[in-house]
Amino acid sequence: QKEVEQNSGPLSVPEGAIASLNCTYSDRVSQSFFWYRQYSGKSPELIMSIYSNGDKEDGRFTAQLNKASQYVSLLIRDSQPSDSATYLCAFRFNTGNQFYFGTGTSLTVIP
Amino acid sequence: EPEVTQTPSHQVTQMGQEVILRCVPISNHLYFYWYRQILGQKVEFLVSFYNNEISEKSEIFDDQFSVERPDGSNFTLKIRSTKLEDSAMYFCASSEARGRFGTEAFFGQGTRLTVV
Repeated sequence: QKEVEQNSGPLSVPEGAIASLNCTYSDRVSQSFFWYRQYSGKSPELIMSIYSNGDKEDGRFTAQLNKASQYVSLLIRDSQPSDSATYLCAFRFNTGNQFYFGTGTSLTVIP
Repeated sequence: EPEVTQTPSHQVTQMGQEVILRCVPISNHLYFYWYRQILGQKVEFLVSFYNNEISEKSEIFDDQFSVERPDGSNFTLKIRSTKLEDSAMYFCASSEARGRFGTEAFFGQGTRLTVV
């Protein structure tokens, strides 16, 4: 069974703080990992992809992958009220087409 | 910026009727997907499509569902006889490739299907 587990939250952080979102996955051979942001009633919007162990930074966002621990996280630095959304973790096998999504973590950034 | 476009944005249909949801994937992308999201639940995979055929499908994608690429740009999802439980947001997505790189999927804005 291929599962992606996320803490549903809600997670609240003050504006300017670091928000930390976590995700664990059940399958050791998962290869590609993604973070999407979804505003209420809208479609998932790709934030970052990560394929190798370690950190990947893009602006205020840092994704961290640890395949041995089957763990991927997203850090949002200098959180803004506009970051308030649900963050979806997803993974995909290189040999398949399907993206497996978690249920998402709801983040609220308090002004 | 290239984007996936979906029409209509909202579709209301009576139970038992057929609906066709339409999508125009990003032009240089080769893999196309349909996902759905029931209100308050997670995004669920329905089907992927490559080289004019289904490459993978989920248990949700039963005989009442079909997909088609009728021309060089459109990608459609047909639900033959809608049920109340088909009410959901349906997302089309596309990606450039299946391999290690370029695997990101980009989503359209969705079609909200309401079956009454």
